[in-house]
Amino acid sequence: GQNIDQPTEMTATEGAIVQINCTYQTSGFNGLFWYQQHAGEAPTFLSYNVLDGLEEKGRFSSFLSRSKGYSYLLLKELQMKDSASYLCAVNDSNYQLIWGAGTKLIIKP
Amino acid sequence: DSGVTQTPKHLITATGQRVTLRCSPRSGDLSVYWYQQSLDQGLQFLIQYYNGEERAKGNILERFSAQQFPDLHSELNLSSLELGDSALYFCASSPPRDGTDTQYFGPGTRLTVL
Repeated sequence: GQNIDQPTEMTATEGAIVQINCTYQTSGFNGLFWYQQHAGEAPTFLSYNVLDGLEEKGRFSSFLSRSKGYSYLLLKELQMKDSASYLCAVNDSNYQLIWGAGTKLIIKP
Repeated sequence: DSGVTQTPKHLITATGQRVTLRCSPRSGDLSVYWYQQSLDQGLQFLIQYYNGEERAKGNILERFSAQQFPDLHSELNLSSLELGDSALYFCASSPPRDGTDTQYFGPGTRLTVL
């Protein structure tokens, strides 16, 4: 079957750095996405990785290792507004998006 | 603002009723996706349309149906509603041939079944 694993919940401190991991087992791979979702709101696109390595976009970076079926989202200089759920999703061989259950990130002052 | 619009924003109805949710994709996007998200749960993929044709089906109940019209807007019909159908329903769209199939989400319709 197809599976995406992420931690259910993480807590971090304002101003710090946090890394949210995602491991996947899918039938084929055509890219990995990270989305941010605030409670009661729509998911918003953060990043897309299809090749191995690190993609940096401001305070957020996303890393991919296809051989290990592994990705992480790195958030630096955490702000209270970063409190949200972070969703990892993988496009499989049929370009069907397989979604993880999401990681709820709690930022404490 | 993603450019995807959904109406209505909120819907309150009773068990056994039928409702229709509407979605307009971003200009130029041909694919429309429907998702259900119950309270504190993950996104559940329901169905995808591409340029008017059904492309993929997820865990969509037989009581639910959808279609995409020639102007590319889409409607999700939910019938014989049950209490457990109360959820946020999101529509997303993606552009053709951009190589990534990135999905952009609308603001959602919050359905409450009493």
